[in-house]
Amino acid sequence: GAGVSQSPRYKVAKRGQDVALRCDPISGHVSLFWYQQALGQGPEFLTYFQNEAQLDKSGLPSDRFFAERPEGSVSTLKIQRTQQEDSAVYLCASSLYLAGPYEQYFGPGTRLTVT
Amino acid sequence: KNEVEQSPQNLTAQEGEFITINCSYSVGISALHWLQQHPGGGIVSLFMLSSGKKKHGRLIATINIQEKHSSLHITASHPRDSAVYICAVREGGATNKLIFGTGTLLAVQP
Repeated sequence: GAGVSQSPRYKVAKRGQDVALRCDPISGHVSLFWYQQALGQGPEFLTYFQNEAQLDKSGLPSDRFFAERPEGSVSTLKIQRTQQEDSAVYLCASSLYLAGPYEQYFGPGTRLTVT
Repeated sequence: KNEVEQSPQNLTAQEGEFITINCSYSVGISALHWLQQHPGGGIVSLFMLSSGKKKHGRLIATINIQEKHSSLHITASHPRDSAVYICAVREGGATNKLIFGTGTLLAVQP
């Protein structure tokens, strides 16, 4: 079956622009995670959804970052008034179940460059 | 101090060599993942461990819960193994979010 997909794969934004990054998880997966990966670093947790509920947003770096998953499937990560420090790869991952050590399946990421 | 630390950060090996990448962590975990990331590519899960040892082809992963340490071994390394290998731990608790190490960049030369 299809894996996790993300779009766009690459995005160049001018500083101050708003961007929206999309994640299509594996069908039926309950959990959805967003991670941010700066160049040369490991990914860092941003936020987590169980179905449509955003249960943990402790990793969002500022109030310019907003994520939603209104119908419990597709998720959108929105960044308002982008800054250069927002340049990174944004990774989405989904997992079948909520609890327990279940596999997370990663999408290819969206590489955001803010100029 | 990072909660997940990997060593080495960079590793160059000759084809055929046995490779070991180490991961130490300082938090309580429910599982540990070894992930592979190719340049410009997404992340692929290699192993998920909560105890003991797992083997898949030329890859072996071990974990020692008491010592909070895991190792990833690659036997008979090949240039196609060149990638970034990332250790990530899954915290216990409700979120199951992953905490990642900074990765080990492996280059296997023919």
